[in-house]
Amino acid sequence: GESVGLHLPTLSVQEGDNSIINCAYSNSASDYFIWYKQESGKGPQFIIDIRSNMDKRQGQRVTVLLNKTVKHLSLQIAATQPGDSAVYFCADTSGGSYIPTFGRGTSLIVHP
Amino acid sequence: DAGVTQSPTHLIKTRGQHVTLRCSPISGHKSVSWYQQVLGQGPQFIFQYYEKEERGRGNFPDRFSARQFPNYSSELNVNALLLGDSALYLCASSVTGAYGYTFGSGTRLTVV
Repeated sequence: GESVGLHLPTLSVQEGDNSIINCAYSNSASDYFIWYKQESGKGPQFIIDIRSNMDKRQGQRVTVLLNKTVKHLSLQIAATQPGDSAVYFCADTSGGSYIPTFGRGTSLIVHP
Repeated sequence: DAGVTQSPTHLIKTRGQHVTLRCSPISGHKSVSWYQQVLGQGPQFIFQYYEKEERGRGNFPDRFSARQFPNYSSELNVNALLLGDSALYLCASSVTGAYGYTFGSGTRLTVV
């Protein structure tokens, strides 16, 4: 499958700030995107998803934005908390294959 | 409800040996997917099974094999272990394999 990559390997923020994690994808056929959070010693945990027919989707304190023109995906976390510290992965599926392809990940560090 | 359970949690094997990893999906989930996660990277897809049939296979050598049982649990087998097989092996279950993956905490395999 095509690669899904991330711009920054590490993001450090202060507690209470808003965090933005970016992701670029290369497969124009990608039609479903998922953000996962992985804490140390655990498996990835679903955060939010978005289909390619949408530009924005909001959850509790999280928003995903999709820009299909430039093949870019972002995850915004409002009022970041120490418990948000983890590695965040974007993943995509395409062409009828429902198997997520993961990028490398961004490590989010939240300082109290 | 129990989540996805994987066993064992940690394992140390010697090069050339064989290993079997086990996964029990969430009740009602008929699909199991296996991923390999090397330290510092995103999970890489190995296999997906649905209703005991292999639905997808990633770019892994034939030393890797898997199967799904009538109760939807699954085993991942790796023969002739190499040092490079050291990784976190993740199992994810979903109802159909299309969406809604839930990951287990993984099996940490160390090959020495």
